[in-house]
Formats: sequence, structure tokens, C-alpha cells
Amino acid sequence: EADIYQTPRYLVIGTGKKITLECSQTMGHDKMYWYQQDPGMELHLIHYSYGVNSTEKGDLSSESTVSRIRTEHFPLTLESARPSHTSQYLCASSEGQGWAEAFFGQGTRLTVV
Amino acid sequence: AQSVTQPDIHITVSEGASLELRCNYSYGATPYLFWYVQSPGQGLQLLLKYFSGDTLVQGIKGFEAEFKRSQSSFNLRKPSVHWSDAAEYFCAVGAVSDTGFQKLVFGTGTRLLVSP
Repeated sequence: EADIYQTPRYLVIGTGKKITLECSQTMGHDKMYWYQQDPGMELHLIHYSYGVNSTEKGDLSSESTVSRIRTEHFPLTLESARPSHTSQYLCASSEGQGWAEAFFGQGTRLTVV
Repeated sequence: AQSVTQPDIHITVSEGASLELRCNYSYGATPYLFWYVQSPGQGLQLLLKYFSGDTLVQGIKGFEAEFKRSQSSFNLRKPSVHWSDAAEYFCAVGAVSDTGFQKLVFGTGTRLLVSP
């Protein structure tokens, strides 16, 4: 059973609001990731982290930002939500070496109205 | 750049029938290949992976996949499908970003529907 949690599961919010999507894992994994998932599309990596105080942007340009102050916590923030941010956001983690198995959270489905 | 193609957007299979989901990859060297499953409202779960060695790999839930270098394929199979197998299935290849980060590149997924 994967020990990685995302909150909230669903969020409907108005344009211009600031939001933070939470992601926590209890496995002590160094690597963490945020993916964006839209219907019929591949998962796009938008942010990743090697460990504490390490964050990088992924393949898909995103207006969101992330932080990694603690190993277990990797929140994603949108300073000003727009309808184009409507999507599902998946958080994942894996051990530090190689292409280890990635464990995924249940996702946050964000709708910006 | 590495890429993954899953040509079938959705497939319907009768319960008890066999299943094959197709996956083709583009990668210059020996690929690291994965199949993940996503049940409704859930995150992705690893079914199996191929790194090297035997080209037929066994996974969880009775799934297996065969790596065929000549066809650049890594098709997922199950001999007898159960209604609980209805889900979305993603094939992925291990890739390295420009900054040296090891990441997964996913296909667009195949939605499996199981009919009674």
C-alpha cells in the first residue's frame, strides 16, 4: 500500500485565487514529482525534486511553483488560478537511485471557474 | 527524444477473455519499460517493469508483458480478464532529461472496459 497522500481530492475555485495542493509521503523517498494529467493525454511532468531544498521544472511549462522544505512534504502552489489550470494533478515519489518504482497519490482534480 | 505510443484509446473485452494492450516506444539504447494501472479515482500503481534479462516479465494481478526489441514493443497481456481489471493502463519508458534527471515518459493510456 502506497503511503503518499494528496489533499484536497477535489477543488473548485474562482479565477484569481491562490491555491496550494498538498502532497505528503511517509516512505522517506528522496525523489518527488508533480504530474499534470488531462483526459486522453499523457502524464506531463511539471516539477520534480531530488531532495530537501532541491526543486526543478519539468517538461511541461507550468505557472505553478513548488517547495521542498521537508523530505516528506512537496506542496504545489498557484498564485493566481485561471481556467487554463483546470486539470488533474498527481504527486509521486520514488527512491533516489535509478528508475525505481514511483508511488502515486490519488490526485487532486482542480477546477477553476 | 524518448516517446511512448499506445495506439488503442480504449478496448472492450469480455470477462474471462484474454487481453493484449499495445505499447511502442522510441528510445536509442536499451529501454527501461513500465506498465502502470490507474483505477477510477485512484493514483497509478506499478504492474510490472523491464530493465534487462528475460524478455517476458511477470507482474502483479496476473499480468505479464513481453519486450520485443525488433518491434520496439512492450505489450501487456493477461490470459483471463476479470471485471475488476477495468481501468486505465499506462505504458512508460525511463528517460533522462537535459539536466540528467531520470524520469518516466508516459503514453496516453488505454482505457479497458470489461463486459459481462
